[in-house]
Amino acid sequence: QKEVEQDPGPLSVPEGAIVSLNCTYSNSAFQYFMWYRQYSRKGPELLMYTYSSGNKEDGRFTAQVDKSSKYISLFIRDSQPSDSATYLCAMSAGNQFYFGTGTSLTVIP
Amino acid sequence: DGGITQSPKYLFRKEGQNVTLSCEQNLNHDAMYWYRQDPGQGLRLIYYSQIVNDFQKGDIAEGYSVSREKKESFPLTVTSAQKNPTAFYLCASRSPQAYTQYFGPGTRLTVL
Repeated sequence: QKEVEQDPGPLSVPEGAIVSLNCTYSNSAFQYFMWYRQYSRKGPELLMYTYSSGNKEDGRFTAQVDKSSKYISLFIRDSQPSDSATYLCAMSAGNQFYFGTGTSLTVIP
Repeated sequence: DGGITQSPKYLFRKEGQNVTLSCEQNLNHDAMYWYRQDPGQGLRLIYYSQIVNDFQKGDIAEGYSVSREKKESFPLTVTSAQKNPTAFYLCASRSPQAYTQYFGPGTRLTVL
């Protein structure tokens, strides 16, 4: 079983839609939970991170962590064509990091 | 501007050659990492270093080598022993305040 599971998609939505991206994990020791956005042929860009459980909001983006279910989510409100990218979830327990394989998102104008 | 730089952006290697990928950071982070990214496989850890003059193998270290002589620099050498080196290589550093990573722009290596 992989440490982190993420649906690869692809996901295609119309502009203005609410997007929900999700990951599950198996290691209960994970404390930091991150979401990265990666455009084609570029390095991943850190969007948001959350420590332990709870929600965090930043503009159109909301990150949720449910440690009891070992489930994390990223919501994108009012999605824009510029949000079209691959989204990676990541988690850490100490010095090592574990990544999902990424979900490819396309927002159609 | 603080950040991580990688060079070159594109690199072509002939069979049997060693090549070195550069990674420099000015974020004053102690820990640095090298990942390999292949389509559909996510990020796989090659090597990481928590402090100068110290580094540990990751999940796929065979055919790779690193050095960490300066805090700012963590170069990766892809040796001729790496059988399938064509991939996108990413360097990252870890923030000491929160256990999060910041990535460079990547180097795309192609074997001819």
